[in-house]
Amino acid sequence: GENVEQHPSTLSVQEGDSAVIKCTYSDSASNYFPWYKQELGKRPQLIIDIRSNVGEKKDQRIAVTLNKTAKHFSLHITETQPEDSAVYFCAASWPFGNEKLTFGTGTRLTIIP
Amino acid sequence: NAGVTQTPKFRILKIGQSMTLQCTQDMNHNYMYWYRQDPGMGLKLIYYSVGAGITDKGEVPNGYNVSRSTTEDFPLRLELAAPSQTSVYFCASSYPWQGARETQYFGPGTRLLVL
Repeated sequence: GENVEQHPSTLSVQEGDSAVIKCTYSDSASNYFPWYKQELGKRPQLIIDIRSNVGEKKDQRIAVTLNKTAKHFSLHITETQPEDSAVYFCAASWPFGNEKLTFGTGTRLTIIP
Repeated sequence: NAGVTQTPKFRILKIGQSMTLQCTQDMNHNYMYWYRQDPGMGLKLIYYSVGAGITDKGEVPNGYNVSRSTTEDFPLRLELAAPSQTSVYFCASSYPWQGARETQYFGPGTRLLVL
């Protein structure tokens, strides 16, 4: 099956600076890579996703890049704000049509005012 | 739409007891999933379903059972609860049509403590 590794496990950045979280996956057939944000005590919520036929996707301050050759993808948050503080999870879709996601272990992002 | 709802929000079980975690979605999603999230960890897939009457095991199915008799409901059954099943349980569902099929929407979670 798929294996997803996520780094770093914790990240602290000054408000206004950028944050980058990286994930690697093992199955070259995986074709869908979402990122979820989970605030304390809340449910995970999708913030951005990318499919294997695209190298980069951007939504306001959030962007995701995908390197299929190296089997890694990254989340970039620019101009960070206090409300960006949360745990972020990457995931990869296990292929062959059964729509299963394998999640990374999460990154706790803290924005320092 | 209420989206994905789960009950109860919190439950304490004694070792050996059984319970059913309820999950309902009103978005007409074919695909539904159960995950567990241990403290400081990611989500592990327990069971999933691609439609009424069809279920399959995920990564960590031992100690759990599911059924899917309707599109809306996907209950998770714990038999003979063990301390290792202390966790937060999330139900999720996803769109039925191709292109957006993988986008999963999560319920609010059920916090379970087994003592």
